[in-house]
Amino acid sequence: GESVGLHLPTLSVQEGDNSIINCAYSNSASDYFIWYKQESGKGPQFIIDIRSNMDKRQGQRVTVLLNKTVKHLSLQIAATQPGDSAVYFCAERNSGSARQLTFGSGTQLTVLP
Amino acid sequence: EPEVTQTPSHQVTQMGQEVILRCVPISNHLYFYWYRQILGQKVEFLVSFYNNEISEKSEIFDDQFSVERPDGSNFTLKIRSTKLEDSAMYFCASVEGYEQFFGPGTRLTVL
Repeated sequence: GESVGLHLPTLSVQEGDNSIINCAYSNSASDYFIWYKQESGKGPQFIIDIRSNMDKRQGQRVTVLLNKTVKHLSLQIAATQPGDSAVYFCAERNSGSARQLTFGSGTQLTVLP
Repeated sequence: EPEVTQTPSHQVTQMGQEVILRCVPISNHLYFYWYRQILGQKVEFLVSFYNNEISEKSEIFDDQFSVERPDGSNFTLKIRSTKLEDSAMYFCASVEGYEQFFGPGTRLTVL
């Protein structure tokens, strides 16, 4: 079946370093991808999104890269800060769906002092 | 900044009891969603709601579940007869364009 998954369940980085979180997806019909941040006890918080007609999108300290050839999505966080510690989920939307999102398993990012 | 709110933050119930989880979406949004997240697992889609009717639902959303928009602001999820495996965080979301805005969630504990 179709699935969205993450390569690594945990990632630890030093404060100030850059972080890269990866995601693989298998649904070639997906046309929209989002990265969410979830802090303990809170709901998912939108970070950045990208449509399938793009391969890169930048935000404030974050960049999302989309490689449709290998069905791979990554989130890059520049100069990682302690407040970035959270679980990060990728999510995809099937172009044929009524905006329903399919979430990946999540990667726990821990920023070390 | 407008935000999605949910009540209660934590609901404890006995197995077999009915629960109603409440959400107030962002006021000018038209699409609403319920998701659930079992502890340590993925966020899973339950149901989407548009124009006062269900537009899509997952296989999780069986006859025990129902949604309603009883007035212009509230959006509710009802579980008629809770089971132990219904214990999870339940998130409401509303949509503007492509972006989904999530509420803080309700933690449902079924004993």
